[in-house]
Amino acid sequence: NAGVTQTPKFQVLKTGQSMTLQCAQDMNHEYMSWYRQDPGMGLRLIHYSVGAGITDQGEVPNGYNVSRSTTEDFPLRLLSAAPSQTSVYFCASRPWLAGDLYEQYFGPGTRLTVT
Amino acid sequence: GQQLNQSPQSMFIQEGEDVSMNCTSSSIFNTWLWYKQDPGEGPVLLIALYKAGELTSNGRLTAQFGITRKDSFLNISASIPSDVGIYFCAGQLHSDMRFGAGTRLTVKP
Repeated sequence: NAGVTQTPKFQVLKTGQSMTLQCAQDMNHEYMSWYRQDPGMGLRLIHYSVGAGITDQGEVPNGYNVSRSTTEDFPLRLLSAAPSQTSVYFCASRPWLAGDLYEQYFGPGTRLTVT
Repeated sequence: GQQLNQSPQSMFIQEGEDVSMNCTSSSIFNTWLWYKQDPGEGPVLLIALYKAGELTSNGRLTAQFGITRKDSFLNISASIPSDVGIYFCAGQLHSDMRFGAGTRLTVKP
């Protein structure tokens, strides 16, 4: 059981470039989400998904796209990278039962720098 | 969006001392979670609380879900060097999950 995996671990982009951060989980969790973590701040929700084919915006969605074609995978796309998107990105997953949420598990993170 | 108010922001303690940190919110939550994050890693779940008033222990860690459902605290007893890290609280209500800004704990041997 690998849990939640993320790739790459580190990435440097130039302003205007696009890229996709990968996230996968093998726990058959319905709910997956992406957070960004900035110094001195808590984790902020970017996008989330309650199942394959369903996604929704979180607190800070601008500049990011997501899709959920399978239960296991939840990639995050940066459309045109900006320096303000320099951050550490965490993917997370949890069971979603009867509309309630249970313990959430995080991946190891992707450290992104945009120059 | 509103984050939780977590305090203190940082703590420097001697090995063997007890530690206490807390989170407060103006909103109620159904679940409180406490996570620990080591450098370069993702947050790892320490304790989950599901009922107002609930007091739960996990080894040297004890956490409580406040009666008003708007706060929670985490205690670490007899701290050891490997307790070093950032501790986050999270409050959860249906599809909404909010995080505190973290408490950075340093333990001096």
